[in-house]
Amino acid sequence: DSGVTQTPKHLITATGQRVTLRCSPRSGDLSVYWYQQSLDQGLQFLIQYYNGEERAKGNILERFSAQQFPDLHSELNLSSLELGDSALYFCASSVFSSWRSSYNEQFFGPGTRLTVL
Amino acid sequence: KNEVEQSPQNLTAQEGEFITINCSYSVGISALHWLQQHPGGGIVSLFMLSSGKKKHGRLIATINIQEKHSSLHITASHPRDSAVYICAVSTGNQFYFGTGTSLTVIP
Repeated sequence: DSGVTQTPKHLITATGQRVTLRCSPRSGDLSVYWYQQSLDQGLQFLIQYYNGEERAKGNILERFSAQQFPDLHSELNLSSLELGDSALYFCASSVFSSWRSSYNEQFFGPGTRLTVL
Repeated sequence: KNEVEQSPQNLTAQEGEFITINCSYSVGISALHWLQQHPGGGIVSLFMLSSGKKKHGRLIATINIQEKHSSLHITASHPRDSAVYICAVSTGNQFYFGTGTSLTVIP
């Protein structure tokens, strides 16, 4: 158990709908990262938050948005869902914001499996 | 164009064998990560390194910054090592992932 929790575990929805995925980081971790893993694209970095502020942005679509709240949990909002958004969505957390420090190991949550029908 | 290339894609080994997975990258990096993903889907970070070598139990990761190459070694492999191993690099504001190496260790 990494200490990172994600809810829900599974989500089935229809095209055009909007969903919210939730992530609670490990106690003491200030950074939260979101990743998407699909069969055709593999793992992709979406976005990072550090202590409530956006720190880095990856391949996140405009239909997707995220935020980190004062209690450090984070939510990933996916709207106008398409079939191609079906994927595993992981969040990870780390203590620092730095991408350089080898002491800033990331701990991954179990993922949310999103199926868009 | 893939910023991170891994080889081999698939690997089958007998229990006890020494295993090497290779990773080459084409961008300037802040750090290189080795991840393990089990069949259930969960991801574990094995190593994060920016130079030299790290060892954890039977796992060893090395990186050569000049050659833009890293290797993950597993000594005395065991069936519980069966998983997908993913190499990733961070550049300061972006992550790039390899497509993974699927390892099966046969008893």
